[in-house]
Amino acid sequence: ELKVEQNPLFLSMQEGKNYTIYCNYSTTSDRLYWYRQDPGKSLESLFVLLSNGAVKQEGRLMASLDTKARLSTLHITAAVHDLSATYFCAVDGSTGTASKLTFGTGTRLQVTL
Amino acid sequence: DTGVSQDPRHKITKRGQNVTFRCDPISEHNRLYWYRQTLGQGPEFLTYFQNEAQLEKSRLLSDRFSAERPKGSFSTLEIQRTEQGDSAMYLCASSPKRGSWGWIEQYFGPGTRLTVT
Repeated sequence: ELKVEQNPLFLSMQEGKNYTIYCNYSTTSDRLYWYRQDPGKSLESLFVLLSNGAVKQEGRLMASLDTKARLSTLHITAAVHDLSATYFCAVDGSTGTASKLTFGTGTRLQVTL
Repeated sequence: DTGVSQDPRHKITKRGQNVTFRCDPISEHNRLYWYRQTLGQGPEFLTYFQNEAQLEKSRLLSDRFSAERPKGSFSTLEIQRTEQGDSAMYLCASSPKRGSWGWIEQYFGPGTRLTVT
């Protein structure tokens, strides 16, 4: 059974600082997703990583995937308050084309002034 | 281009009652997924459809749960004899096929928050 673990589970960081969220998963997959969720809201897609070594950047967020280590990172550069949210990684552990996602428990990010 | 819509957004029901939720996917997305999210957790896969065919169901989907997508467009998720443990956010997502890549993007709706009292 596929397990997806994120750490930290909670992150309080000051504006302007850098930090990294880690996502480890237990079985082979080359499809990894990062989503953002604001309180009481649905999931907003941030990144789709489809191969080993994939790196994607959008604004202050950069995501990477190492399929050999079964590890993805979400790096936050110079955090701003608007980035406060919960971030989920999700892995497609399907053996066929089902594309059903297994999510981590999320990292709640709080950016303080 | 409208996104995935779900109705109702909130539902409060008493234990033992039946409830039905509706999901309208993005037009021409032939796959539709249902997930459940409890407080403080990530979403968990429940089931998915390709067109009108239900291709997989999670073990989380007990006999009290049934999902349909009768014409390959909207989908309904019914819970019979609700229990307090059914209280959660029920999320629907739709996905288009991207050529040889398959179904690589899932677009989530706003969710239906169910509270069973």
